[in-house]
Amino acid sequence: EDKVVQSPLSLVVHEGDTVTLNCSYEVTNFRSLLWYKQEKKAPTFLFMLTSSGIEKKSGRLSSILDKKELFSILNITATQTGDSAVYLCASSGTYKYIFGTGTRLKVLA
Amino acid sequence: DAGVIQSPRHEVTEMGQEVTLRCKPISGHDYLFWYRQTMMRGLELLIYFNNNVPIDDSGMPEDRFSAKMPNASFSTLKIQPSEPRDSAVYFCASTFNGLAGGWGTDTQYFGPGTRLTVL
Repeated sequence: EDKVVQSPLSLVVHEGDTVTLNCSYEVTNFRSLLWYKQEKKAPTFLFMLTSSGIEKKSGRLSSILDKKELFSILNITATQTGDSAVYLCASSGTYKYIFGTGTRLKVLA
Repeated sequence: DAGVIQSPRHEVTEMGQEVTLRCKPISGHDYLFWYRQTMMRGLELLIYFNNNVPIDDSGMPEDRFSAKMPNASFSTLKIQPSEPRDSAVYFCASTFNGLAGGWGTDTQYFGPGTRLTVL
């Protein structure tokens, strides 16, 4: 059965800390791994990864994919209170997008 | 572009009533998805369409749920009769998976969601 598992389930850090969020997947005919940020509304797109070992960066956020070990990480450096959200990982496979349950990040001032 | 549009944004209804949720995808997108999100089960794919044709409805919970896409710019998700356990946020998302990129190589764009409460 296809599945995406995220860890940790929740995380509380202080502003300025660096966090690493994990996502492992088992998806038939893997095509891509996506990261979304969800605050009190719809998920918003962060990254899409299709190739192993190539880091994608956007400001303080970065992500990388390991297709051999079937996982991805999302790093956030110098965290800010505005980073507080649920971070969702999803994988596309055989005409499906499978979502993990998310990691809830809270950044304290 | 206005993005994916959903209506209503909030719906409160009583058990047994029919509920219809609406979605307008981003113009030019050829795939449309309906998701349900709850605290217990997270984000679940219910059904998706390609070029207005339902491709996979294996995520639809039961016969009380039905979805249609009569044209490229409109889709509905209907629940009849509704039950309290249907209370959730329902998201519509669209994407373009044309020949250049192929399936799964483009991001999904989510609508703002419809928060459904069934009393």
